[in-house]
Amino acid sequence: DAMVIQNPRYQVTQFGKPVTLSCSQTLNHNVMYWYQQKSSQAPKLLFHYYDKDFNNEADTPDNFQSRRPNTSFCFLDIRSPGLGDAAMYLCATSRDHESDEQFFGPGTRLTVL
Amino acid sequence: GDSVTQMEGPVTLSEEAFLTINCTYTATGYPSLFWYVQYPGEGLQLLLKATKADDKGSNKGFEATYRKETTSFHLEKGSVQVSDSAVYFCALGLYGGSQGNLIFGKGTKLSVKP
Repeated sequence: DAMVIQNPRYQVTQFGKPVTLSCSQTLNHNVMYWYQQKSSQAPKLLFHYYDKDFNNEADTPDNFQSRRPNTSFCFLDIRSPGLGDAAMYLCATSRDHESDEQFFGPGTRLTVL
Repeated sequence: GDSVTQMEGPVTLSEEAFLTINCTYTATGYPSLFWYVQYPGEGLQLLLKATKADDKGSNKGFEATYRKETTSFHLEKGSVQVSDSAVYFCALGLYGGSQGNLIFGKGTKLSVKP
């Protein structure tokens, strides 16, 4: 089945130690998104890629970066995680900007010690 | 700015009870409206959607109607089951151009007791 895969499902890192979260998709969609979801809150968009074009949300901290080396993969890099970055990170895809449905992965829960 | 407001939970119901979760929105333009469901420990799944005024989205016994006059998209189900226990998110989508992201409400946690 075509799907959105996130690895790992659970990630533990130390305060200030860089961490990378991975997302892959078999849907061949043009757009990939990263959301941050803190406990009992709505998902918040961090950034998205339309093909290779990177679109950062205005209030996304510089500590968060992303890479999309090809259509299938997208990475979220947190350069110096703080305690406030502990959250569920959700990857999603859509066919294009006009497509009205996003497909979500299962998420990676990040713990910062 | 664009936003979504949904009723706060948690909502606790007995099995076979009627469910309503209210959702209202503020948006420029003509958004699409969605309900997503998140089961414990999982990502979001699209439950239903409506792309224009008066459209009704439906899936798995859930329904919601896009009401432009009241800017609402309330979620309803006639008879809930224990397996419906989850967090439900209302969202609006603005598409086209450089946009293409969803704006979510804060979520409503539903617990259904046997």
